[in-house]
Amino acid sequence: ILNVEQSPQSLHVQEGDSTNFTCSFPSSNFYALHWYRWETAKSPEALFVMTLNGDEKKKGRISATLNTKEGYSYLYIKGSQPEDSATYLCALGVSNDYKLSFGAGTTVTVRA
Amino acid sequence: DGGITQSPKYLFRKEGQNVTLSCEQNLNHDAMYWYRQDPGQGLRLIYYSQIVNDFQKGDIAEGYSVSREKKESFPLTVTSAQKNPTAFYLCASKGASTEAFFGQGTRLTVV
Repeated sequence: ILNVEQSPQSLHVQEGDSTNFTCSFPSSNFYALHWYRWETAKSPEALFVMTLNGDEKKKGRISATLNTKEGYSYLYIKGSQPEDSATYLCALGVSNDYKLSFGAGTTVTVRA
Repeated sequence: DGGITQSPKYLFRKEGQNVTLSCEQNLNHDAMYWYRQDPGQGLRLIYYSQIVNDFQKGDIAEGYSVSREKKESFPLTVTSAQKNPTAFYLCASKGASTEAFFGQGTRLTVV
């Protein structure tokens, strides 16, 4: 079992504030690190797939960084909005990236 | 419309019965997955398949079985050997080096 850990489990953010949270993973056999957003009553949707150490990706106000040597990734939300409220999942792909193991998620609640 | 379809959305099963959850995709993805979610927990991998007629156990395969006779389909059978089957089940598919796409999920309740 691949131990993918996310912290914190949940957080509350005031609208307009920025926030970030962590995904930690074992760095052996690393292939890719995925981030997904899971809104209530919807299916998880991909945000980023990252493969290179030092990689940074951005989509609107959301960005992510990757450190494969130390085994962590950060997800940042800049200027949080109520529509950012969701559970954010990271997933580790090893070897050929076909086995995807998920963390438990960080649930973000943005208060207006 | 390309996508991944799970059915049914809600399923009730009596104790001791087997039940099969359907998952179909028309995204031409090689890989398909079944995950289980329990309250307060993340997605745990049950089974995955990288190619037709081949599949591998995930982290919690006991009490489940799958088949992959067609590229488009990856049904999951929850057998009577699964001690605690009440959960939310998510199916996903994925191409090589791409993100995964998820179905809407099936909520299974044992009554």
